[in-house]
Amino acid sequence: DTEVTQTPKHLVMGMTNKKSLKCEQHMGHRAMYWYKQKAKKPPELMFVYSYEKLSINESVPSRFSPECPNSSLLNLHLHALQPEDSALYLCASSQGKEGARGGYTFGSGTRLTVV
Amino acid sequence: DAKTTQPNSMESNEEEPVHLPCNHSTISGTDYIHWYRQLPSQGPEYVIHGLTSNVNNRMASLAIAEDRKSSTLILHRATLRDAAVYYCILRGLNQAGTALIFGKGTTLSVSS
Repeated sequence: DTEVTQTPKHLVMGMTNKKSLKCEQHMGHRAMYWYKQKAKKPPELMFVYSYEKLSINESVPSRFSPECPNSSLLNLHLHALQPEDSALYLCASSQGKEGARGGYTFGSGTRLTVV
Repeated sequence: DAKTTQPNSMESNEEEPVHLPCNHSTISGTDYIHWYRQLPSQGPEYVIHGLTSNVNNRMASLAIAEDRKSSTLILHRATLRDAAVYYCILRGLNQAGTALIFGKGTTLSVSS
């Protein structure tokens, strides 16, 4: 299995809702990432988990709450989002200790719309 | 991450070769040059990477200048499916397990 699976593919939520995005990989990768991508822009890093521990939080608002229950799963919990949070949310994973070689695998993303 | 500079956009015709340039004048001796691409409505995908020597794989070739201050991703015969945003990213040996940081990339359009 060489994929990163993200669910759901599309999500519409109101500003008072609570929802979660899920990401799963079975490649044995020990580093997992969340990115946010607005239209016509490059992906922007949000969070990095290394060996199930949060190692980087790029000053993301607290209405986004990441969780890594085990080495294969990564969640992003959403609460009280704003319309400007509408974007494509990408999950990625990597071996964690592969050095500078390739090996980052991305999911297809969750298209989030906040109404 | 050291900075890279790419043209905003390029155009190609189907079945023709495409040369996508990347400048990285501040590259350090241990930085690898990675290329990823993002097809419409998809996440980025790995294309190729190299350190000093030219590299070939089933997707593309990577030509690295002798002084390593620039590189070129070569698609030998462009297809409509190659229309994507191409990102040139530098990764150091001491950056294992850290995230890819994306620049603006080059949007490649392919016409039939």
